[in-house]
Amino acid sequence: LAKTTQPISMDSYEGQEVNITCSHNNIATNDYITWYQQFPSQGPRFIIQGYKTKVTNEVASLFIPADRKSSTLSLPRVSLSDTAVYYCLGMNRDDKIIFGKGTRLHILP
Amino acid sequence: DGGITQSPKYLFRKEGQNVTLSCEQNLNHDAMYWYRQDPGQGLRLIYYSQIVNDFQKGDIAEGYSVSREKKESFPLTVTSAQKNPTAFYLCASSTLREKLFFGSGTQLSVL
Repeated sequence: LAKTTQPISMDSYEGQEVNITCSHNNIATNDYITWYQQFPSQGPRFIIQGYKTKVTNEVASLFIPADRKSSTLSLPRVSLSDTAVYYCLGMNRDDKIIFGKGTRLHILP
Repeated sequence: DGGITQSPKYLFRKEGQNVTLSCEQNLNHDAMYWYRQDPGQGLRLIYYSQIVNDFQKGDIAEGYSVSREKKESFPLTVTSAQKNPTAFYLCASSTLREKLFFGSGTQLSVL
């Protein structure tokens, strides 16, 4: 099974850049690396997805090294509304989509 | 409006009772999933289905059952065998290996 490891929690301040790293040592060759954001009492929502190198959208950037054993989600200039849980997904070969415990990001004023 | 709808938003279960949580999607997605989330914890996979009339157990399937008779629908039954059912239940759908779309969840509590 693909397994992901993330920090349990992180604190940062408004206006800072936040980087959350995820380890996924046994990710399958043709799997994409996907990140989700979840607010309390809501379903997670998709943030960004990539295969290798760097991907950027209007919300975040995703950095993936050549060996694909880890990935880093980068949130530029965070605000209080970015306080949430962030999940890095591991997808194993039979499409069983497993969520890890996620990283609780707390943004301080 | 395309999306995934879960109902009810809140559900209460009595001792020994089976309850069914509804999940409907109009996104034409092949795959559907059920997750359980306990307070302060991550999501745990209960069941998933990649095609109509077929489904697989996730990591915590005991005490739950599902059916997939239609592409749009993937109801979850919490049986009396599930001794600790209080949790937030999330349904999701996707095209295979693509991003998941989640419903708004059902909070199940025991009376």
